[in-house]
Amino acid sequence: QKEVEQNSGPLSVPEGAIASLNCTYSDRGSQSFFWYRQYSGKSPELIMFIYSNGDKEDGRFTAQLNKASQYVSLLIRDSQPSDSATYLCAVNIEETSGSRLTFGEGTQLTVNP
Amino acid sequence: EPEVTQTPSHQVTQMGQEVILRCVPISNHLYFYWYRQILGQKVEFLVSFYNNEISEKSEIFDDQFSVERPDGSNFTLKIRSTKLEDSAMYFCASSGEINQPQHFGDGTRLSIL
Repeated sequence: QKEVEQNSGPLSVPEGAIASLNCTYSDRGSQSFFWYRQYSGKSPELIMFIYSNGDKEDGRFTAQLNKASQYVSLLIRDSQPSDSATYLCAVNIEETSGSRLTFGEGTQLTVNP
Repeated sequence: EPEVTQTPSHQVTQMGQEVILRCVPISNHLYFYWYRQILGQKVEFLVSFYNNEISEKSEIFDDQFSVERPDGSNFTLKIRSTKLEDSAMYFCASSGEINQPQHFGDGTRLSIL
């Protein structure tokens, strides 16, 4: 069973639409949740992070977390062509002396002008 | 804005040779990480480092790998005897606290011939 699973892509939306990206995780000990954006050939760039159940909004981005359902999502409102990238869901399980990010395989988003 | 810097951006090495990848984490960060991403695959955790010692490592991080913080600013990953399957993008990341977001460098593309 995959530890972090993202909805299969690619996802294509028209400019101005809402893009919805979903992620589930298997380890109930997961404590921190992150969304990274990765352009082709580039490094992961932090978009959002969320620690508590509920919604967290930052500009056009909203992260949603439901720990009971082991589910985290990212909504992108008013999608722009520049949002076209692969979106990586990452989950942090803190051990006593360290932590590691476990990544999903990513969802490729294309925003069509 | 402070950033993680990595050198070189691209390293080409013969199989069996040793390679050292270098990173300068964000200056006030305390936790340091290495990840790798094989072409077309997901980002994978290698190792975390805190207080001058390894705090956690993955199954990938075998005896061929080592990390070091030789001075107050650099953080290095050494691969002792490279194999073809070590070809990947290697990302360094750092965070201020154990549960805070990890910020990634631009990566080093390692090509083993």
